[in-house]
Amino acid sequence: DGGITQSPKYLFRKEGQNVTLSCEQNLNHDAMYWYRQDPGQGLRLIYYSQIVNDFQKGDIAEGYSVSREKKESFPLTVTSAQKNPTAFYLCASRPGWGQGETQYFGPGTRLLVL
Amino acid sequence: QKEVEQDPGPLSVPEGAIVSLNCTYSNSAFQYFMWYRQYSRKGPELLMYTYSSGNKEDGRFTAQVDKSSKYISLFIRDSQPSDSATYLCAMTLTGFQKLVFGTGTRLLVSP
Repeated sequence: DGGITQSPKYLFRKEGQNVTLSCEQNLNHDAMYWYRQDPGQGLRLIYYSQIVNDFQKGDIAEGYSVSREKKESFPLTVTSAQKNPTAFYLCASRPGWGQGETQYFGPGTRLLVL
Repeated sequence: QKEVEQDPGPLSVPEGAIVSLNCTYSNSAFQYFMWYRQYSRKGPELLMYTYSSGNKEDGRFTAQVDKSSKYISLFIRDSQPSDSATYLCAMTLTGFQKLVFGTGTRLLVSP
């Protein structure tokens, strides 16, 4: 089955700890995205990547880092600099230029702070 | 003022009702309009995708775009309890890598 997988489903972070959220897609999509969702605030863009080895900051990149070493994978690291990391994190992907503007989402990872 | 405005609800309706969900936007350059459905603690699922103005129908769902008024709608006919979810509108334009989302409207359909 083609789709986007995110792991883990739940993640607990201790004070001062960096944690990494996984996102994998087998849709052969070029672009990938990370969003944060908080109650009442909708989706906010953290980082996005249009091609391998290239990525851009979104609206709330501070305290987060990403890498794009493979087309299929776009992991997100929540660093200790992110002071309020508790949220629902969503990964999405999109086909390349001229192939549609819609984004397709994974199931999400819920991050909680201990 | 937000670029996309969406009433957060909740919107409560009885089973079988016709539901109207709406978004207004400020950027007249938007060309692509989407509706996503999101169940609690799940990722958003693409429901409808419309380019430019007009209507698009898929089963019980109809998406409508009025670019002159900068207003989009999603109609759900014969609503079911399984339609209870948050509905997000999103929009973009050619070459703009990002989607601009509304905050979502929570819909509750009671049996």
